[in-house]
Amino acid sequence: GAGVSQSPRYKVAKRGQDVALRCDPISGHVSLFWYQQALGQGPEFLTYFQNEAQLDKSGLPSDRFFAERPEGSVSTLKIQRTQQEDSAVYLCASSPHRQDTQYFGPGTRLTVL
Amino acid sequence: AQKITQTQPGMFVQEKEAVTLDCTYDTSDPSYGLFWYKQPSSGEMIFLIYQGSYDQQNATEGRYSLNFQKARKSANLVISASQLGDSAMYFCAMSPAGNNRKLIWGLGTSLAVNP
Repeated sequence: GAGVSQSPRYKVAKRGQDVALRCDPISGHVSLFWYQQALGQGPEFLTYFQNEAQLDKSGLPSDRFFAERPEGSVSTLKIQRTQQEDSAVYLCASSPHRQDTQYFGPGTRLTVL
Repeated sequence: AQKITQTQPGMFVQEKEAVTLDCTYDTSDPSYGLFWYKQPSSGEMIFLIYQGSYDQQNATEGRYSLNFQKARKSANLVISASQLGDSAMYFCAMSPAGNNRKLIWGLGTSLAVNP
């Protein structure tokens, strides 16, 4: 079946621009996660949804970062007024209800110039 | 604080041989899950194997096995019969107890399989 998809795969933004990153989870998966992976590092948790409810946003680095999942399926991660330190790969993962294993999409590589 | 430590930045192995990638973890939760993921140069994070803290037996998935030593808080990944396609970054991760299943990650180990 179809896995997690993310778009765009690559995004180049000028400093100060707003960007929106999209994640389509595996159909029927209740949980959705966003992670940020800087070059040469492991991923860092950003936020977590269960259906449409954002249950944990403790990893969002600043109020410039905003995530939503209005219908409990597709999610969008928005970054306002991008900064160079926002350059990273943004990974989306989904998992079935009450199961631990998270399945990841290919990521969006964001480069802020 | 919960933490994952991977002490091997890079590893080399000959094709067809076995290799062990080290992972230690730190948590005070009695219930947790441990994962290994593979990240090839294409960037996608691929799930390999899972071990629950209460599982009595070590997890195995094909050529992958997890050497789980709870008292030592280690969860090493063993890859048997290495293949050239195994060359990638390997990440160990932990999910703490509770409803939030966020993963806590190590820094990864880069594995190179030599022909």
